[in-house]
Amino acid sequence: SQKIEQNSEALNIQEGKTATLTCNYTNYSPAYLQWYRQDPGRGPVFLLLIRENEKEKRKERLKVTFDTTLKQSLFHITASQPADSATYLCALGYSTLTFGKGTMLLVSP
Amino acid sequence: EAGVAQSPRYKIIEKRQSVAFWCNPISGHATLYWYQQILGQGPKLLIQFQNNGVVDDSQLPKDRFSAERLKGVDSTLKIQPAKLEDSAVYLCASSFGTSEERQFFGPGTRLTVL
Repeated sequence: SQKIEQNSEALNIQEGKTATLTCNYTNYSPAYLQWYRQDPGRGPVFLLLIRENEKEKRKERLKVTFDTTLKQSLFHITASQPADSATYLCALGYSTLTFGKGTMLLVSP
Repeated sequence: EAGVAQSPRYKIIEKRQSVAFWCNPISGHATLYWYQQILGQGPKLLIQFQNNGVVDDSQLPKDRFSAERLKGVDSTLKIQPAKLEDSAVYLCASSFGTSEERQFFGPGTRLTVL
């Protein structure tokens, strides 16, 4: 069956460091992948989309890679700030989106 | 630009009761989604509408859940009768076109079934 795995444990990093979040999947051939941010008590907010024929996408301090051979996406936040603390969800898409469980990121000052 | 509106924000009911949630998507968005998010999990798609037609409802428990999107604008999701395991946040989202495009989520309705 289709499976999406994100870092199960919370990721704790210090301000200014680069945070790297992982999204692995099996039994799936997504046409695209999206990353969302979710704060407690709020709906997810879209961050980036990357298509299967793209290797990398950047937006300000965010970078996402997509390796369809490894079946993996990496999400990087450079120069992290305490305001980046949130849960980050990856979502794989073909005709509909399937979300992972998310990884909680905690950035300490 | 107004975001996706949902109501109510919170609802507490007894098991076997019925409940309805309402969603108003962003103006002009053709696609509307209902997701269920259980604590500690990612959102799970229940139903996807394109205008007022259903694109995907394969994960909607049709024996108790129903949804409609009359006139291709706002939508309601109903649960009847509710079970304890229905306790979750119900998120509505919309996008201009297909699900490949970014989805805009509402704040969600937190349902507690006692």
